[in-house]
Amino acid sequence: NAGVTQTPKFQVLKTGQSMTLQCAQDMNHEYMSWYRQDPGMGLRLIHYSVGAGITDQGEVPNGYNVSRSTTEDFPLRLLSAAPSQTSVYFCASSTGRGEGVYEQYFGPGTRLTVT
Amino acid sequence: GEDVEQSLFLSVREGDSSVINCTYTDSSSTYLYWYKQEPGAGLQLLTYIFSNMDMKQDQRLTVLLNKKDKHLSLRIADTQTGDSAIYFCAESIRTTDSWGKFQFGAGTQVVVTP
Repeated sequence: NAGVTQTPKFQVLKTGQSMTLQCAQDMNHEYMSWYRQDPGMGLRLIHYSVGAGITDQGEVPNGYNVSRSTTEDFPLRLLSAAPSQTSVYFCASSTGRGEGVYEQYFGPGTRLTVT
Repeated sequence: GEDVEQSLFLSVREGDSSVINCTYTDSSSTYLYWYKQEPGAGLQLLTYIFSNMDMKQDQRLTVLLNKKDKHLSLRIADTQTGDSAIYFCAESIRTTDSWGKFQFGAGTQVVVTP
């Protein structure tokens, strides 16, 4: 199993450009999520999905769109990049339901710089 | 509130014990987690504890939970240089769609010196 994969690893964008960060998992997990990591702020949830065709907003959704057409893929789209979106982005997938343990598996991250 | 707080930095000598502390505020948490992040990598689950437990031991790791004070700690015995990393405390909170929504702390940078 490859686990959770993310592409690209690094990206530099100019303000106003758009792009898609790719995320894929091969563990047949229902739940997938996107986080951003900023110094001193830990991980903040951007969007999440509880299954194909179902997405919802997290703590910091503005400026980002997601879709989940398959169980495996959960791309994150930046509509019009801004310097405030400079961050490290992590995709995660998880198992678990109800009262169970939600063990999240994280991808290696995408380091995005917006100039 | 849904805040998880941790101290930002810990320095420890090789061979000593490390203790990383965390406080959380959401009383509906079901599980509490410790994740480790090495430089340039994603987060890796170290251990977790169910909210009705007081303690969990897993080899060199001991997790203590004080539910009354909403305080969680991670003790690493015989700390090694390979333990140098950022450690995140997290809680999972039930939501209406039954997904364990995670709230992470800011992370504690642990530096192990020889």
